[in-house]
Amino acid sequence: DTGVSQDPRHKITKRGQNVTFRCDPISEHNRLYWYRQTLGQGPEFLTYFQNEAQLEKSRLLSDRFSAERPKGSFSTLEIQRTEQGDSAMYLCASSSRQTGTEAFFGQGTRLTVV
Amino acid sequence: EDQVTQSPEALRLQEGESSSLNCSYTVSGLRGLFWYRQDPGKGPEFLFTLYSAGEEKEKERLKATLTKKESFLHITAPKPEDSATYLCASVATGFQKLVFGTGTRLLVSP
Repeated sequence: DTGVSQDPRHKITKRGQNVTFRCDPISEHNRLYWYRQTLGQGPEFLTYFQNEAQLEKSRLLSDRFSAERPKGSFSTLEIQRTEQGDSAMYLCASSSRQTGTEAFFGQGTRLTVV
Repeated sequence: EDQVTQSPEALRLQEGESSSLNCSYTVSGLRGLFWYRQDPGKGPEFLFTLYSAGEEKEKERLKATLTKKESFLHITAPKPEDSATYLCASVATGFQKLVFGTGTRLLVSP
């Protein structure tokens, strides 16, 4: 068990550019979550997948954000036309039927929009 | 709307000085109450899940308890390596998402 893996760890981009992050969950975990965390705040829920189906989506997830989980394995989170307000830590977590709602987090991707 | 409030925002302890962190929650049907530890620049690390009032769980110097409105994380004889931000989160019945508080930043001085 290698834990939840996120790539890249850090990303600096210019305003208006598109960025894509990848998350590889713990193997055999069928549930995958994306959260966003800004400095001094707790993580905020963005979206949730069970296998390949996106079952829950936060109002925070504007039209510029899209997440996918093809084949129910890894997931990608894309942000189009980035804005400075998108600067944050993007966290991925996974869980399984056995772990229930106990989610295990990756190390996150730190996005800085300049 | 479900809400989690943590206090204090920051806590400074001397090594060996025991204390408690508070987490108040408002949720329409609690499915679970979670505690995580987060070190700077890293993702949250799972500590405990509590499911019903009266439940307690322990791990080394940490003990988590749950009432119908609050959870406490008791830290007994802390060491400098316990310094971190401790996050509390709730999950409501019928949902999967965690609703987090803003955390308590704990600093333990030698």
